[in-house]
Amino acid sequence: TQLLEQSPQFLSIQEGENLTVYCNSSSVFSSLQWYRQEPGEGPVLLVTVVTGGEVKKLKRLTFQFGDARKDSSLHITAAQPGDTGLYLCARGLGGYQKVTFGTGTKLQVIP
Amino acid sequence: DTEVTQTPKHLVMGMTNKKSLKCEQHMGHRAMYWYKQKAKKPPELMFVYSYEKLSINESVPSRFSPECPNSSLLNLHLHALQPEDSALYLCASSQDRLAGRPTNTGELFFGEGSRLTVL
Repeated sequence: TQLLEQSPQFLSIQEGENLTVYCNSSSVFSSLQWYRQEPGEGPVLLVTVVTGGEVKKLKRLTFQFGDARKDSSLHITAAQPGDTGLYLCARGLGGYQKVTFGTGTKLQVIP
Repeated sequence: DTEVTQTPKHLVMGMTNKKSLKCEQHMGHRAMYWYKQKAKKPPELMFVYSYEKLSINESVPSRFSPECPNSSLLNLHLHALQPEDSALYLCASSQDRLAGRPTNTGELFFGEGSRLTVL
């Protein structure tokens, strides 16, 4: 059973557009990570959110943790071709060792 | 540059071969992971080592055999693999415990992966 559902699965947009990616779970989690993975590379950690309602910004990326800590979103402003990649949310279970990933959102930003 | 190094970057092997994937980290992390990733899918957890002891095995077939010789190294020994085992194999590390208390927040640091093709 997949614990973390992401939407949309695929997104193809023009450079300069804004977008939002969602990560949803039926259960509460105490922290959540967002990663970006480029083709042929390993995922790279972008951010960790811990507190319900928390908002973190990383340049043009804004991450939000839902008040009930069951969902999270990633908003990208003025997307650039360098933002192209697979975006993954992840959570740790069992003392955080069992880190499982969401279904993923594949983003393509067209110049 | 990633601080988790995986070798080889690419590996092609036959179903009767024995080969190994290697992973090394020098961040002082005490938890190390193997993930398998098929095309267009998220990484799937295979094994977790904590303080050089196997702590999680996600019901992985015995043709995959992990080994953690010391706190910096993690190997994955491969024997009698099937074509469907072809995938990107990712190694990761994370902080686990510090002075006996859990500090692991689930933040993983990945290598670039080893692309395995089984013929």
